[in-house]
Amino acid sequence: EAQVTQNPRYLITVTGKKLTVTCSQNMNHEYMSWYRQDPGLGLRQIYYSMNVEVTDKGDVPEGYKVSRKEKRNFPLILESPSPNQTSLYFCASSSKGQGLFNYGYTFGSGTRLTVV
Amino acid sequence: RKEVEQDPGPFNVPEGATVAFNCTYSNSASQSFFWYRQDCRKEPKLLMSVYSSGNEDGRFTAQLNRASQYISLLIRDSKLSDSATYLCVVNHNTGNQFYFGTGTSLTVIP
Repeated sequence: EAQVTQNPRYLITVTGKKLTVTCSQNMNHEYMSWYRQDPGLGLRQIYYSMNVEVTDKGDVPEGYKVSRKEKRNFPLILESPSPNQTSLYFCASSSKGQGLFNYGYTFGSGTRLTVV
Repeated sequence: RKEVEQDPGPFNVPEGATVAFNCTYSNSASQSFFWYRQDCRKEPKLLMSVYSSGNEDGRFTAQLNRASQYISLLIRDSKLSDSATYLCVVNHNTGNQFYFGTGTSLTVIP
């Protein structure tokens, strides 16, 4: 089944304790992205990647790191989580667009993170 | 100014009704447009892409108006299962920065 898999689904952690949220896709997609979703603010892009070893900042990158060492994996790293990073996180992937047209994203099931 | 703006609703409509959502975008260089559906606490799912010529998929019709910079979604013969939040999404260029609206909530009432 074509899918984007995120782990864990739920995570409660303490301020300052490093954590990684994994994301893997089995569709051979070039593009991958991380979003966070907060009430009233909608989905905001954290980081995105257009291919292996190519990553770039989205709208809200502060406090996050990513890496793209393999095409299928795009982990999100919080080196020192803070309470304002409590949110619902989504990983997404899509195939490369054609010309000026892009394909839509396929999303993972989400990771609900609480930082206390 | 926000990249994408949507009326948050909520829209409460009876079964069988026709309902329309609009979404405006600020960047005239936007090239790709989409509607997503999101159920409570679930991931967004692609409903349909929006093409310049407009497109239809069963009960759903999407339109793009580049001159006025808005896209629309029309749902005919609403079903209870259409209850969800509908997200408008635009992409500026060939990169993969996608901008999401905050969503419009729809509840279809029996």
